[in-house]
Amino acid sequence: DIQMTQSPSSLSASVGDRVTITCRASQSISTYLNWYQQKPGKAPRLLIYAASTLQSGVPSRFSGSGSGTDFSLTVSSLQPEDFATYYCHQSYSSPRTFGQGTRVEVK
Amino acid sequence: QVQLVQSGSEVKKPGASVKVSCKASGYTFISYGISWARQAPGQGLEWMGWISANTGTTNYIQKLQGRVTMTTDTSASTAYMELRSLRSDDTAVYYCARDDWTNLDYWGQGTLVTVSS
Repeated sequence: DIQMTQSPSSLSASVGDRVTITCRASQSISTYLNWYQQKPGKAPRLLIYAASTLQSGVPSRFSGSGSGTDFSLTVSSLQPEDFATYYCHQSYSSPRTFGQGTRVEVK
Repeated sequence: QVQLVQSGSEVKKPGASVKVSCKASGYTFISYGISWARQAPGQGLEWMGWISANTGTTNYIQKLQGRVTMTTDTSASTAYMELRSLRSDDTAVYYCARDDWTNLDYWGQGTLVTVSS
């Protein structure tokens, strides 16, 4: 199974901050990497697919990059509604594993 | 608009079975797969498996092999996930999601399954 490791596990930030979350795969997954946002009590929401493609309706302050084993999700200017947990997810091979999540909290 | 609507919460005793439904609308059901994922209380997401809505082909994670069955009813645009021999560590919110082979772009609202004696 491909292991997905996110860092950090949690971070504290303020509105307006630039925030970057990283995700490392245990083997190369090309660009088969997706990012999801989840708020408490809600289903996950797809933000980025194929490592860097913004899902329709997602604000442009979100961006993704990377290929192979190392990926990142960046929020250019954190907004109040962005405080949530973020998950990376590989769709390169089965089982399609998730990272453990990164919780973005208010500083 | 694409919607996935799941069945309601369930409380089951250890050893029992549960069957969660996921009714799709707003797209051609057989053009996509359905993935199922679960989230134990306070924990991260665990992908459970996938079913092709067109062919019925399934792919389950190894730890659930023999206990889980995913099916679809194409006439009702509905997917089902049955989990048997329930244990306390199966307590989780179960999600279905539309699967376009590379990402899970629309999700159901989640179904809480509580396993307790």
